[in-house]
Amino acid sequence: QSVLTQPPSVSGTPGQRVTVSCSGSQSNIGSNSVNWYQKFPGTAPKLLIYSNNKRPSGVPDRFSGSTSGTSASLDISGPQSEDEADYYCATWDDSLNGVIFGGGTKLTV
Amino acid sequence: QVQLVQSGSELKKPGASVKISCKASGYSFITYTMNWVRQAPGQGLEWLGWINTKTGKPTNGRGFTGRFVFSLDTSANTAYLQISGLRADDTAVYFCARGGGAWANFDNWGQGTLVTVSS
Repeated sequence: QSVLTQPPSVSGTPGQRVTVSCSGSQSNIGSNSVNWYQKFPGTAPKLLIYSNNKRPSGVPDRFSGSTSGTSASLDISGPQSEDEADYYCATWDDSLNGVIFGGGTKLTV
Repeated sequence: QVQLVQSGSELKKPGASVKISCKASGYSFITYTMNWVRQAPGQGLEWLGWINTKTGKPTNGRGFTGRFVFSLDTSANTAYLQISGLRADDTAVYFCARGGGAWANFDNWGQGTLVTVSS
C-alpha cells in the first residue's frame, strides 16, 4: 500500500487529454516537489517531470505536471501509442524521512 | 554522456549475499548522490536509500536497514549495493539512480540488475 495513491490504469485516445493523478498528504506532496517517471517493461525508469512541472531536455511538450495542495497530476495531451507505459509519481516524505513512490499507473492508448 | 552501468543478473539461494555494482561515467562522480531503487515482479518502485558520494555516508530507507549496505569505490567511480540474508521476497530488479539535485529527482539510471532468490 503506497503512501502516494495513483489509479492503477488510465486510457485515452490520441485526440484526448489524459490525466494521471497522485494523491498524498501534507508531509509529502504538501511540502515537497513532485517528480514523475515513465517506465517501460524491462527498461529503467526515465525522469519525465521534475520539480512539479519542469520537463528534462528531450521530453515532448505533450507531457506536463502540476500540483495543488496535497495532490499532483501528470497530463498527457494527445497521447501517442509510444506513450503506453507505467507512470510513477515520487517525492520526499518528511514523516517517513525518505523518498516515496506512488503505486504506478498503466497508460493504455 | 552520463552512463550508469550495472553488473549482471544474479541467482542466489536464500540466506546468501549478493553485491551489485554500478559504474558511473561521463560526469564527476562525487558531485551527485547515488540512490538505489528496486522493482519486484509485478510490483511498483521502492526506494532503498542513498549514499553521499562525497563523504561516503550511506542512508537507508525505512524498511531497508540492516541487510542492505551501500558503499563506494570513488577511485573507480563505482557504487555498490550489498544485500545479505537474501529472502525470496528480495527477488527484484535493482536499479542505481543518480540524484539530480532535489529529493526524488533521479535524472539518470542504470539498466537494472535482476536478483533472483530461489532454492
